[in-house]
Amino acid sequence: SQTIHQWPATLVQPVGSPLSLECTVEGTSNPNLYWYRQAAGRGLQLLFYSIGIDQISSEVPQNLSASRPQDRQFILSSKKLLLSDSGFYLCAWSVLGFHGYTFGSGTRLTVV
Amino acid sequence: AQTVTQSQPEMSVQEAETVTLSCTYDTSENNYYLFWYKQPPSRQMILVIRQEAYKQQNATENRFSVNFQKAAKSFSLKISDSQLGDTAMYFCASEGGSQGNLIFGKGTKLSVKP
Repeated sequence: SQTIHQWPATLVQPVGSPLSLECTVEGTSNPNLYWYRQAAGRGLQLLFYSIGIDQISSEVPQNLSASRPQDRQFILSSKKLLLSDSGFYLCAWSVLGFHGYTFGSGTRLTVV
Repeated sequence: AQTVTQSQPEMSVQEAETVTLSCTYDTSENNYYLFWYKQPPSRQMILVIRQEAYKQQNATENRFSVNFQKAAKSFSLKISDSQLGDTAMYFCASEGGSQGNLIFGKGTKLSVKP
């Protein structure tokens, strides 16, 4: 069966420090992968999506970047965190022909 | 740009009663899917129900059903026989864009009271 792993679950980082959040999917090949951010009262905002290795699209200009070093691995990074990067980050996957996402358990990031 | 609007930031319902959450959307797609996701306090996003726009019959999943009005671009969620475990944030989402990305509303916080 397919599963998605996302870590860490919580993270407290100082302003200006780097960030790396990781997401991996098991049990499927060539998934579409997504990073969303959920800020309080603002719903879910799509940050990046990837339909394949080396195919990453950014939806919102920001202080973050994404990479996909392997087919089932999606990484969200920042070189220098800002206070405004605080939020709840969700990774999700889907496959061609299946409409809808399966989400990871999320990472709560607090930038202090 | 596609938008999804949930006009009820918070709602409450007594246990065992029925509640309806509202959602409207705007899309230029001809065929698309609509979704309701549940986010309990654990914050895990769980797919509740989905509807294909070409299907006239409203989707049903046990106690959850939708009222899909395509012309009005309305997609409401009805929860029957509400249970305490239904307490959660509920997000409406529309599928759109060339890659089928989901666009989410801001959510409705539902509290089920004993």
